[in-house]
Order: sequence, then C-alpha cells, then structure tokens
Amino acid sequence: DAKTTQPPSMDCAEGRAANLPCNHSTISGNEYVYWYRQIHSQGPQYIIHGLKNNETNEMASLIITEDRKSSTLILPHATLRDTAVYYCIVRVRGSTLGRLYFGRGTQLTVWP
Amino acid sequence: SQTIHQWPATLVQPVGSPLSLECTVEGTSNPNLYWYRQAAGRGLQLLFYSVGIGQISSEVPQNLSASRPQDRQFILSSKKLLLSDSGFYLCAWYRGGYTDTQYFGPGTRLTVL
Repeated sequence: DAKTTQPPSMDCAEGRAANLPCNHSTISGNEYVYWYRQIHSQGPQYIIHGLKNNETNEMASLIITEDRKSSTLILPHATLRDTAVYYCIVRVRGSTLGRLYFGRGTQLTVWP
Repeated sequence: SQTIHQWPATLVQPVGSPLSLECTVEGTSNPNLYWYRQAAGRGLQLLFYSVGIGQISSEVPQNLSASRPQDRQFILSSKKLLLSDSGFYLCAWYRGGYTDTQYFGPGTRLTVL
C-alpha cells in the first residue's frame, strides 16, 4: 500500500552528493515522510524523517517541498558503503501500530 | 541498548517440508513485533504483527503462521513449504518516541527447492 513513487535506480560518484527524489502527491496533512535504506542482504535501516521542515542528521538531509508533494533525500558525500536500496514512505506517526509498507525503492549505486 | 536476533541466517528446505524461523529481542519489554518477507527483486511485504504474547494479526493470507510464546520471542512457521515461500525474512520491533519506527533484524535467507 505504498503511497510514494521513486525512480528504480540512480548512480552517483563517490564523494559527490546523492540526491534521491520521492513523489508523494497524495500525502495527508498529518503524514510524515520517512526514509530507510537496505544494504544488500541486511535489514532496512532508518535514516531520517520529517513533516514539513527540512531535517538533517548525521546520516543525511531531507528536503520537503512547500506543498509537501515531494521530497529529496540528500547524502552529502556519498561513499561506496552508501550503495543500497532507499525507501521513501509516508505515514502517520504513532498510528497503525507501527506497521510499515514498503514499495520497491531506489537502488543507489555509488561508483569509485 | 536494544538488539534483535534472527536465526538461522540462511536456510535451504525442500518443498513440502516444515519451517520454523525464530526472532528474539533484547533490551526492551512488551515490544510490537513484525515479520516481513522480501521476495527477489521486490519490496518488503508485511506478513504478521504482534502487540503481545499470544496476539497475532495476519496481513496477508498464506500458508505461513506466526506465534509469540514469550514477550520477546516471535516465531514464523509453516507446515508445508511452497516454492513461492522463498525469500528474505525480516523480523522487526517497534520503538515509539522521536523516531517512532521499526528496527529490523539481520534477516533469514530462505530458499525452497
């Protein structure tokens, strides 16, 4: 029941910024944007989340458009270890007993 | 700190054989627990979730079942495996608070032949 659209694949040179887009045109006012990544053969890992303001943590930055219909995850200096599938999800916090519904995500390949 | 374990890490089983995958969580009590499956080239599919001992909810009909015999133990089972049961099985637990999200285990790679 994914409500987001992401490109299936992207690539990026090591050391450069990786900008991963996500469209969520039907997002509701109380839904947050969450990003996760899954390195091959590992479980998904939480990266960052936001409601309407831009957010930054030690892993990445999240830019949400003013109309909240799209967002961009930015990895400022991509490394080979950032090669993974990145998932964008919209959800209401504290709801649905914490269930998550993942789509197919974007395969990011960082090349040397 | 909390940690989540899954075993086995990999498993190869013949069609029609039974299955038992185990997940345990340390460092927290009464967690919400989840089983997901990821088939090759597909996104994650939620299979079961549990809010407490003996409480299981199924998201999709299938030949799999889940049980929660103890507070921090979650088991995924099947009486007879199908080829379509092959995939990567992930257990997760839910943490509220600032992140309000799930944290995943290392997964079990199941191949049914």
